[in-house]
Amino acid sequence: AQTVTQSQPEMSVQEAETVTLSCTYDTSESDYYLFWYKQPPSRQMILVIRQEAYKQQNATENRFSVNFQKAAKSFSLKISDSQLGDAAMYFCAYLSGDRDDKIIFGKGTRLHILP
Amino acid sequence: DTEVTQTPKHLVMGMTNKKSLKCEQHMGHRAMYWYKQKAKKPPELMFVYSYEKLSINESVPSRFSPECPNSSLLNLHLHALQPEDSALYLCASSQGTEYMNTEAFFGQGTRLTVV
Repeated sequence: AQTVTQSQPEMSVQEAETVTLSCTYDTSESDYYLFWYKQPPSRQMILVIRQEAYKQQNATENRFSVNFQKAAKSFSLKISDSQLGDAAMYFCAYLSGDRDDKIIFGKGTRLHILP
Repeated sequence: DTEVTQTPKHLVMGMTNKKSLKCEQHMGHRAMYWYKQKAKKPPELMFVYSYEKLSINESVPSRFSPECPNSSLLNLHLHALQPEDSALYLCASSQGTEYMNTEAFFGQGTRLTVV
């Protein structure tokens, strides 16, 4: 069975600084998708960034980028120029490519932005 | 329209009540999900519907009964719940892994309190 591990329950970063959230996963599959979701106090889960396992290039979305190391099964999220609105719970998630539609979430990292 | 709409936003119910949670999406997504989320925890998958058929049931107690009347609607019928069932219930939808856009879009959730 696939597992997703986020080893940092909480992190803090100064506004405008850069922070990296860690995520590792375990799978025997070669075809899968990885996601970072953000859940602010408003409760809605918002997709931050997506990575297809078959793509070697790291995904980037404005201030958000990932470091995808397939061999190491690592998928970290880097947030540049942190803003107060980035404060939220961040979940790393895994989706198998075998079409079972089952999204597996890590335990989450709560990110605090210090003004 | 990239919205998943859940109603109601808040629900308080007694242990003998019967109530329903509703979820709607108009993105043409073929997969729809129910997740349960306790405070400071990741979402836990309950059910997945694919093409209006139940494809995954994560051993959820029968007091939770899902229903997918059509491709846009997903209901969760609640009956004889326990106080420990109090949680945030999230609905999500996705195109599914046979398409390029695999990410799940989430609703804002229903905050359920069982008294």
